[in-house]
Amino acid sequence: GAVVSQHPSRVICKSGTSVKIECRSLDFQATTMFWYRQFPKQSLMLMATSNEGSKATYEQGVEKDKFLINHASLTLSTLTVTSAHPEDSSFYICSAPLQGGPSGNTIYFGEGSWLTVV
Amino acid sequence: AQSVTQLGSHVSVSEGALVLLRCNYSSSVPPYLFWYVQYPNQGLQLLLKYTTGATLVKGINGFEAEFKKSETSFHLTKPSAHMSDAAEYFCAVTPGGRGSTLGRLYFGRGTQLTVWP
Repeated sequence: GAVVSQHPSRVICKSGTSVKIECRSLDFQATTMFWYRQFPKQSLMLMATSNEGSKATYEQGVEKDKFLINHASLTLSTLTVTSAHPEDSSFYICSAPLQGGPSGNTIYFGEGSWLTVV
Repeated sequence: AQSVTQLGSHVSVSEGALVLLRCNYSSSVPPYLFWYVQYPNQGLQLLLKYTTGATLVKGINGFEAEFKKSETSFHLTKPSAHMSDAAEYFCAVTPGGRGSTLGRLYFGRGTQLTVWP
């Protein structure tokens, strides 16, 4: 069935370094993917829309130079947190919509990635 | 514009009791509505969704929800709670309708369900 996979599930990095998170759509192509951030005990906040073959669209208040998004293929979007700081520590989740699939129009989520910046 | 309101950030029920999690939405176009469940330290799992057709939708794990346009609601119910239902539940909306493209989801703040033995 349709699945969205994220990697890594957990990552710890030092302040000032960069870390990349991958989001893959398995069994289907996704021209658009979405990146969310979730703080503990809170809801999901949309960070940006990842568009295959073009620039990502960022939500207001999200630093595009800090959160680099690349959607180089129809099944892969990456989020790179550059020059990471402890306040970037969070749970990052991606999603991909599937239209007309076996279950109809559905939006699938990845397993999420825990980022800890020390 | 789309938005979602989940009444009650915490709901507690006894095992075997009815579960009712409330969700109201606002949407300027016909909506697609979703309920997701999130277990600790995990991603979101789709419980059920409404796009078109029957307004009473059944999902996994015995959950169901009814789309009521007149009340702009999409409440989630389960007749008999189980301990394994304890989790965070999110209601979400995205613009739907003919010709629409599935896009970003607008989430409610979430409801933490606790099930007592």
